[in-house]
Amino acid sequence: AQTVTQSQPEMSVQEAETVTLSCTYDTSESDYYLFWYKQPPSRQMILVIRQEAYKQQNATENRFSVNFQKAAKSFSLKISDSQLGDAAMYFCAYRSPYGQNFVFGPGTRLSVLP
Amino acid sequence: GAVVSQHPSWVICKSGTSVKIECRSLDFQATTMFWYRQFPKQSLMLMATSNEGSKATYEQGVEKDKFLINHASLTLSTLTVTSAHPEDSSFYICSARAAAGRASTDTQYFGPGTRLTVL
Repeated sequence: AQTVTQSQPEMSVQEAETVTLSCTYDTSESDYYLFWYKQPPSRQMILVIRQEAYKQQNATENRFSVNFQKAAKSFSLKISDSQLGDAAMYFCAYRSPYGQNFVFGPGTRLSVLP
Repeated sequence: GAVVSQHPSWVICKSGTSVKIECRSLDFQATTMFWYRQFPKQSLMLMATSNEGSKATYEQGVEKDKFLINHASLTLSTLTVTSAHPEDSSFYICSARAAAGRASTDTQYFGPGTRLTVL
């Protein structure tokens, strides 16, 4: 079974600075999907970014980018120019191409300091 | 696009009553819907997976007779908590996976969640 680990329960960043959230996973599959979801205080889960494992190029969405290291089974999220609205819980998730459900990590609570 | 709604957003009920939570995909057809439970400051725990027109698949430890799931159409799934007790109080979130079309079929789109409080 796949597992997802987020080793940083809490992180903080100064507004306008850059922060990196860590995620590692364990799988024996060669093809899969990885996601970062954001859950603000409203608790609505919001998709931040997704990565297909067969793609070597790291995904980027505006200020959000990932560092996908397939051999190391690492999938970190970098947030550039942090904004107050980025404060939230961030969940890393794994999806097998053969299954439908996600495996979520325990989450990292990000605080943005003004 | 790819909006999922949940109703109600919060509900308070007495112990022993049943509560129904609806999950709707508003602008896409969902072949599969998922129900999660989230305790405070914890991650999402998958309860069950439902495919339209078939029985839900429950995760280990989830009582299927207590948490009834119906996926009657490609846009609607319901979760009924039967004979609710205080320990069932939690935040329930649904998500939907799109059929082929505009929305990505590889991504789950989440509803805003329902906070259930059982007195």
